[in-house]
This record gives sequence, C-alpha cells and structure tokens, in this order.
Amino acid sequence: GDSVTQMEGPVTLSEEAFLTINCTYTATGYPSLFWYVQYPGEGLQLLLKATKADDKGSNKGFEATYRKETTSFHLEKGSVQVSDSAVYFCALTVHDYKLSFGAGTTVTVRA
Amino acid sequence: GAGVSQSPRYKVAKRGQDVALRCDPISGHVSLFWYQQALGQGPEFLTYFQNEAQLDKSGLPSDRFFAERPEGSVSTLKIQRTQQEDSAVYLCASSPGGFGMNEQYFGPGTRLTVT
Repeated sequence: GDSVTQMEGPVTLSEEAFLTINCTYTATGYPSLFWYVQYPGEGLQLLLKATKADDKGSNKGFEATYRKETTSFHLEKGSVQVSDSAVYFCALTVHDYKLSFGAGTTVTVRA
Repeated sequence: GAGVSQSPRYKVAKRGQDVALRCDPISGHVSLFWYQQALGQGPEFLTYFQNEAQLDKSGLPSDRFFAERPEGSVSTLKIQRTQQEDSAVYLCASSPGGFGMNEQYFGPGTRLTVT
C-alpha cells in the first residue's frame, strides 16, 4: 500500500541552524506530496506541497523537492527560528483525497 | 474566519460506552474527512464524505465505528462499545472542493481516552 517513512525525532537545533527532515515514500501511482506542521496547541496546517516530479514546494523559508528517482521529499530550512518548533508530518495522496501520513518528527529550536 | 471546530475537545469514556464526536467544517466546504491519530503516530484515514455521501469508509477499523453527515455540513463520528485501543485523537478536516487536491483544513481534534 501507499506509505510514508520519515526521519525519527526528536530533533533539537540551535537558532539559525540548518534543518533537514528526511521523507521517503512508497506509492502505487503518481502521488502528490505534502508537508504538514503542527505547532504546540494548534491543529495540523499545510506547510507546502508538490504535485509532480521535480516540483519544488516552498513556504515560510521551508523547501522540499519532489524526487521521483529517489522517491523522496525531504524538508529543508536554511536558518531555523524558535517559532519553527513544531511537529512536522510528511504525507502523500494517490487518490486525490485520502492522505497517508508519516509518523511525524518533533523539532525543537533553542535560542 | 471560522475554521474547523470539533467537540468535545476531550472525552473520557469507560470501556463499553458509546461516544459521539462532532465536527463542524468550514462553511460551504464540500469534502469532509475523519482521521485517527494514535499517540506518537501520524493521522490515519478513517472516512471521507462529499456533501452527504460517504464515498470511502475503508479506514474505519471495525463495525463499531460509524460516521454520518446527513445534511452535508456537520458530521458525527460514533464509536459503539468503546475499547481501550480506541484511545486516540480523532481529527476532522474539510476542503472546499470534491476530488482533486484541494487543501485539507484540520480541526483541533478530540482526544478520546477509554478507561
């Protein structure tokens, strides 16, 4: 079945450090790929998405590129802030409605 | 504007009790989704409605789980004879269109604890 594997956490960083969260997927068709973020005390929010190979999604300084050859969609940010502390979920859909999520990666950024 | 709301936010049930979880989607949103999130895991799809039609219920874990959206807006997820393994956060999401990759907007979830 369709599934997502993402880097286990927790990840702890200092402010202005570089962040990478690895995400790989298995899918029967041609999935669309997403990163969702859950800030403390809040609901899941879409961070960015890519719908076809080689697309790059970007938002709030975060980027991820859809790599079909490596079945990956790694999330990166060049300089994190304390406000980026959250749980990050990689997700995919093949059916255009049903999302399959990874287990989530908890990121803590220290001042 | 108003987002997706869910009630109650927290529910404690004794094993064997029935529970009903409510979701109020964003007004006018056609699609509505229920997900189950166990502790330390990502959300798992339960069911999908397009207006009042339940188009996919493949993720419902057993026949104790039942969802409805009778007028195409508010939805209720009902769990009968709750078991300890039902303890999880139940997330509702809505999106403006039907099929096609509209963004899903998530509610804050209902945390169900079965004792």
